[in-house]
Amino acid sequence: GAVVSQHPSWVICKSGTSVKIECRSLDFQATTMFWYRQFPKQSLMLMATSNEGSKATYEQGVEKDKFLINHASLTLSTLTVTSAHPEDSSFYICSAKGGGEDTGELFFGEGSRLTVL
Amino acid sequence: GQNIDQPTEMTATEGAIVQINCTYQTSGFNGLFWYQQHAGEAPTFLSYNVLDGLEEKGRFSSFLSRSKGYSYLLLKELQMKDSASYLCAVLDSNYQLIWGAGTKLIIKP
Repeated sequence: GAVVSQHPSWVICKSGTSVKIECRSLDFQATTMFWYRQFPKQSLMLMATSNEGSKATYEQGVEKDKFLINHASLTLSTLTVTSAHPEDSSFYICSAKGGGEDTGELFFGEGSRLTVL
Repeated sequence: GQNIDQPTEMTATEGAIVQINCTYQTSGFNGLFWYQQHAGEAPTFLSYNVLDGLEEKGRFSSFLSRSKGYSYLLLKELQMKDSASYLCAVLDSNYQLIWGAGTKLIIKP
């Protein structure tokens, strides 16, 4: 099946710094990518939908200036957590739609665990 | 509004069969997905149903009734590694995925 790679898997940073997470579709072109945040023992929370070449669509309550999303190519989307604070510590997961016949199936990255000290 | 309902938690015994139900109310329907997620990992795809009926894939089966807005995931011959959260998601008329909160399945020996 289609492969989505997410990097880094783990990141620890100091409060006030910015962290960039990459999401790549390795063997297909992903016109749409999704970014999720997941707290322990809770389900996925959609943060934003990213379409190649256009601005991301953010879900209600998600700060656009805090979570910068760029989808500059059909195989790469990035999420930058700006001026990170301890409350931003979470598990961030990306997914991509595509991979041939578009059934709507999503292919997930491995996730990135962010810890802000 | 759009709504996906599934039980929060279920417990089953190793070797047994368990059925996880999912009911949905969405604006349009273009398919229903089941994903498995182990703690600390990203979800993995299990099944996709767009037509009514039962789809069997090894130990896992998924059923859909569009008229009832209902699906279930059936897991047979349960193994300890099946302990995970199972997420139901519906693709609506805009091809947006609406996610359920997930069902945590606990397998006991």
